This record gives sequence, C-alpha cells and structure tokens, in this order.
Amino acid sequence: KNEVEQSPQNLTAQEGEFITINCSYSVGISALHWLQQHPGGGIVSLFMLSSGKKKHGRLIATINIQEKHSSLHITASHPRDSAVYICAPWGNTGNQFYFGTGTSLTVIP
Amino acid sequence: DAGITQSPRHKVTETGTPVTLRCHQTENHRYMYWYRQDPGHGLRLIHYSYGVKDTDKGEVSDGYSVSRSKTEDFLLTLESATSSQTSVYFCAISDRFSSGANVLTFGAGSRLTVL
Repeated sequence: KNEVEQSPQNLTAQEGEFITINCSYSVGISALHWLQQHPGGGIVSLFMLSSGKKKHGRLIATINIQEKHSSLHITASHPRDSAVYICAPWGNTGNQFYFGTGTSLTVIP
Repeated sequence: DAGITQSPRHKVTETGTPVTLRCHQTENHRYMYWYRQDPGHGLRLIHYSYGVKDTDKGEVSDGYSVSRSKTEDFLLTLESATSSQTSVYFCAISDRFSSGANVLTFGAGSRLTVL
C-alpha cells in the first residue's frame, strides 16, 4: 500500500531551471513535511506545512489539504540542490508520519 | 548534526549477534523515532517513544526492541541480527505528536551491515 505518491521519481534539470515536485497522499492529514537528503547524507526538514504556502529562499512549498496534494518548487535551480526530496505527511489516524519514496533531483551545471 | 547524535555510525556484524544503536538528543524533545531506510522503500517506522519508558511499535517492529530510560536517550536493539536487517537506520526527534510536528530533526544515520 502506498499512502504517499511522489512524482516524478527522478528528475534531471539544467542549472537555472524552475523545478516542481509533486506529492499526493490518500490519508487524512493535519500537516506535511518536505525533507531533503543529499547523497550519503542525513535528512533535513525543509518545511512543515498545514495550509497554504511557505517560502524559504529559492524554495516554495504549497499544500491543499482538501485535495490531498502538495508541491515543492525550486526556482533558479543550482547543482547544490541535487538531492532526494521526500514528502512526509502526518496522518490524523495512527499518529505517524507517512513517507514517499522520494524524488531524486540532479541539477547539471 | 546539532541536537541529535547516533552511534555507531557504521557497524558490520555477523548473523545472530545482538546489536544496539543509540540515539542521543540534547533538545529535550518528548518524541523520538527509529526508522530504517532501504532502496525502493520510503522511511519505515520501527518503534517510537512518546516519553520516558513509553514506547510503541511501528510498521516494521519484528526483530527489534527499544528502550528509553532517560529523555535524551533512545536505544534500538536487534536481539539476534539477520541479513534482512542490513539497512541504514535513522533516529528522529520531534516537539509535537498530534497535529504535526513543528520541528522534525533526523540524526545522521547508522549504516548496519549483517553478514
């Protein structure tokens, strides 16, 4: 069972391109985290969203709780953005995070 | 990373031996989690803790036990390691449980190889 679906699974972009990663989930949630994992590295939470939109630098995250969908956008992408991005909604039942399998992003100079 | 450390970071062991991974936090957060990460799977919850001596099972808890005798330490034990437990293990801490955690911080991971 996949409560969380991310698309695309893999993405290659040229430096400077605008990037969108999508996350759809089937469970009822109250909040969602976007996580970043660099190759061989640890995992960092970029955003926690419960509604609307948040922006940190070149990163923008949006969520529509009713439509069960969230997106992560990267403006003016850079090679250092190359990482796996993981969508992690917090389920209302079961009291747990659900995790997508991640989107692997490669930004080419 | 600041606030949460895992040890050991790398371990190679043999089938049938016991293994303990340690997660230590300095943030005084109530909630702690152990996950495993394997290729083709998302992070999967092994066990979590919602306070000292308060723990519960996750979706992949078979073969694992945990203990939390102090707020800052959460131990994951493999009583008799098997090759299927070869994985990268992540500890995480959060400040809230319901309605989504405002803060969710992961340790650097512990790579375990069971031969």
